[in-house]
Amino acid sequence: SQQGEEDPQALSIQEGENATMNCSYKTSINNLQWYRQNSGRGLVHLILIRSNEREKHSGRLRVTLDTSKKSSSLLITASRAADTASYFCATAEKNSGYALNFGKGTSLLVTP
Amino acid sequence: GAGVSQSPSNKVTEKGKDVELRCDPISGHTALYWYRQSLGQGLEFLIYFQGNSAPDKSGLPSDRFSAERTGGSVSTLTIQRTQQEDSAVYLCASSSARTSGGALTGELFFGEGSRLTVL
Repeated sequence: SQQGEEDPQALSIQEGENATMNCSYKTSINNLQWYRQNSGRGLVHLILIRSNEREKHSGRLRVTLDTSKKSSSLLITASRAADTASYFCATAEKNSGYALNFGKGTSLLVTP
Repeated sequence: GAGVSQSPSNKVTEKGKDVELRCDPISGHTALYWYRQSLGQGLEFLIYFQGNSAPDKSGLPSDRFSAERTGGSVSTLTIQRTQQEDSAVYLCASSSARTSGGALTGELFFGEGSRLTVL
């Protein structure tokens, strides 16, 4: 089943600008993960944030998690053309075993 | 190999034919997942295997779909009597399957996918 819903579905920005993508989910989670997918390729893990964490950084990526609102955001700062890809959030629900449910993704286009 | 390997990378078949898709996970990873991604869509969970436990087949869309994992390593996804709506990219992923609080805590490593086109 798909739990995460990303917003917006598509985002177009210029190099140097920041990109913000949001993810909403419905149930209690153990952690939330963000993945990136270049066109025609597999997904690559970016970052994992646990339910007891509120913010996490990795390079130019900043992820926040608000469990009271059941939402997360992914911020890419100083975007580059190479950041053009689709970005997916995935949730590991509590007591769901090894399941990881993905949303429909946000398609990001960064133009030079 | 170092990563998750899937074959074939592309498969074109006629409606009604059976197809087999193969996934070779990262060595030592006990959890293996199959997802389906239709054009421009998100990932639809199909099935996962974890060690010797019974697989979670809750995502398989019909009884035409089946999967097995032999020897705890390589997995094969079989689609019988293919239909045009089965056309999609089938993605395999593996994980070291760490859990906490009854949920997966590790990341998934994905293969490049098998693109299936049913004519």
